[in-house]
Amino acid sequence: NAGVTQTPKFQVLKTGQSMTLQCAQDMNHEYMSWYRQDPGMGLRLIHYSVGAGITDQGEVPNGYNVSRSTTEDFPLRLLSAAPSQTSVYFCASGLGPSYEQYFGPGTRLTVT
Amino acid sequence: AQKITQTQPGMFVQEKEAVTLDCTYDTSDPSYGLFWYKQPSSGEMIFLIYQGSYDQQNATEGRYSLNFQKARKSANLVISASQLGDSAMYFCAMREGAQKLVFGQGTRLTINP
Repeated sequence: NAGVTQTPKFQVLKTGQSMTLQCAQDMNHEYMSWYRQDPGMGLRLIHYSVGAGITDQGEVPNGYNVSRSTTEDFPLRLLSAAPSQTSVYFCASGLGPSYEQYFGPGTRLTVT
Repeated sequence: AQKITQTQPGMFVQEKEAVTLDCTYDTSDPSYGLFWYKQPSSGEMIFLIYQGSYDQQNATEGRYSLNFQKARKSANLVISASQLGDSAMYFCAMREGAQKLVFGQGTRLTINP
C-alpha cells in the first residue's frame, strides 16, 4: 500500500497563478483533510471531507477549493495564489476524525 | 480562542530521562478525542497516541503514555527513557465537534546525549 501520496513535493508559483495540489489514498478511508503548516502556528485545517461528494470548510478555507469525486482522491485548488499562501501543505486520511490520521509527505509551496 | 495550548515552545532533556510535554484544551463538548503526533526533522507526521474523553484509563503505547486529567482539561504526553531519536516537534490535537481536528502550536523536543 502506498498510503497517502501528495504531488508535487515542491512548487513555486507567481502571485495570481492557480494550481492544484493532488492527494490520493489507497486505504479506503472516508475521512480526508487538508492542513497548512506555518512556523509557530502548528497545523491549521483548510478543508475536510467525510466521504465522496461531501466537503466542508475548516479553520482557514479562504483562497482554497476542494472537491471529492471519489473516495481515493481529494485535490486542493489554489484559485489565485498569494504570498500569504506560502506554506507546507499536508493531506491526511483516516477512518474518521476520532481515529489515527495518516499524513502524506507534504507539499512545500512558495508564492512569489 | 485557542482550543489547544502547548505552553512549551522548546524543551531540552538528557538522554534516558523521562519527559513530559504539556497540552491543555478547551471544549464544552462532552465527547472529544485527544491525539499526539510527532514530526521529525524529515517532516512527516507520525501518530503516537489517542485518548477518548470517556476512556477510564490513561492511554499507553510503548514508551508513550498520556496523562489525562479531565477536570483540569490537560492531556500531557509522557515519554519514558528518552532516546536521541525522540528529538522532534510534538503536536497535541483534539477532535472538535464531530468532524474537525484542531492542532496546537507544537513543542520542539531536543534530547541531549
